[in-house]
Order: sequence, then C-alpha cells, then structure tokens
Amino acid sequence: SYELTQPSSVSVSPGQTARITCSGDVLAKKYARWFQQKPGQAPVLVIYKDSERPSGIPERFSGSSSGTTVTLTISGAQVEDEADYYCYSAADNNLRVFGGGTKLTVL
Amino acid sequence: EVQLVESGGGLVKPGGSLRLSCAASGFTFSSYSMNWVRQAPGKGLEWVSSISSSSSYIYYADSVKGRFTISRDNAKNSLYLQMNSLRAEDTAVYYCARTPVEDGSSFDYWGQGTLVTVSS
Repeated sequence: SYELTQPSSVSVSPGQTARITCSGDVLAKKYARWFQQKPGQAPVLVIYKDSERPSGIPERFSGSSSGTTVTLTISGAQVEDEADYYCYSAADNNLRVFGGGTKLTVL
Repeated sequence: EVQLVESGGGLVKPGGSLRLSCAASGFTFSSYSMNWVRQAPGKGLEWVSSISSSSSYIYYADSVKGRFTISRDNAKNSLYLQMNSLRAEDTAVYYCARTPVEDGSSFDYWGQGTLVTVSS
C-alpha cells in the first residue's frame, strides 16, 4: 500500500497565499490531482496532472511538484475558497489513493 | 451540461445487499470510464471501483474486492454498484464520478452522492 500525507489544517487571511502540501513516494513517479470539497457538496477537481487547471477553475489555483511532494497554491485566497482539499494519485489501476484532506480556513 | 445522479442508497443490515445506480446525461456515456468513490461520515474520500468505457477493464479497492461489483449499461447511460456482504464500515456517501479523457486516472464530474447506512 502507499499513503499520501497532508496537513490537517491550513489557515490564511483573505488575500494571502495558501499552500497545501501532499507527500508520498508515489508522487515521484505518478501525477497528483487536487479536489476541493465544501460542506455538503460533492468534490470539485481543481488541479490535474500536477499542475493543469480544468476550465472554469480560477487562475489563483495552481499546482506544482518537486520530488515526492506536490503543492496546491491558492494565490490571493478568498473567503469562498474555504473548504477541504484532497490530493489524489494512482500508483496503478488497482491502487488509487486520496490524501487525508486539509481543512483550509480563510479568515 | 454533464449530470450524474445517484440513487439506491438507504439503510441495510450488516450482511445485507444494496444496488446503487448512477444515471448519466449531457455527454456520450459510452466513451468514458466511470468510477465509484465513497466518503464515510466526517471522513475523507476513498476510491471504490472503476470501469472502462466498454466494461473491458474493472478495478476494485482491496476493501471491497469480492463483495462489490461494478457494472454499466451504455444503452441506458447508467452505472451500477452491487454491494453484497455489507459491513458497518461500508457506511458512507457513495459518489459516481466520470474519468476525463485527458487524465485517465482522475475524476472530473461527480454526482451529489447517495447515502448508504449499514446498521442493525
């Protein structure tokens, strides 16, 4: 098995840059994706293939990768960005794992 | 507009069975791989199972292998999850999610989920 490790919480003030990390050996060889989930809602894909942004996702969301760590960066975080964020990767077709999630507070 | 609507959740006793359905619309269902992802109350996301567009390839998480069966009917634009031998730890919201063409291991659209509660 493999694991993806995220901080349980990150807190920033509105307008600041929020950075959420995700670590795991598999990330050195496989892409990461990031999902945003607000309370009572389904997850939303915000980053795929480490750093690609789906259409409709604001430019303030970006992703980067270095070795076994990937980072989701929200530049100029807004109150509406407050949510849980999950990283995800697939070691192989039968081994697809989410990180434990990070609660982002923008206050 | 892509829409995924799950149904079939409910309360079931341990050891029981349940069949979830996901009705898809707004895209060519038969061209996409599909998935089930679950989330236990207050917990994180867990991938459950994936099926390729023509059902040729099927994958399961170890936690459900041998108990759950994923299937699809492209003529009905529907995805299914047959869940047998249910356990308390299977209690979760079950989401249906589509795999995007540009990233074969990801999920780009999700349904709103259906709650499965396993309890006596």
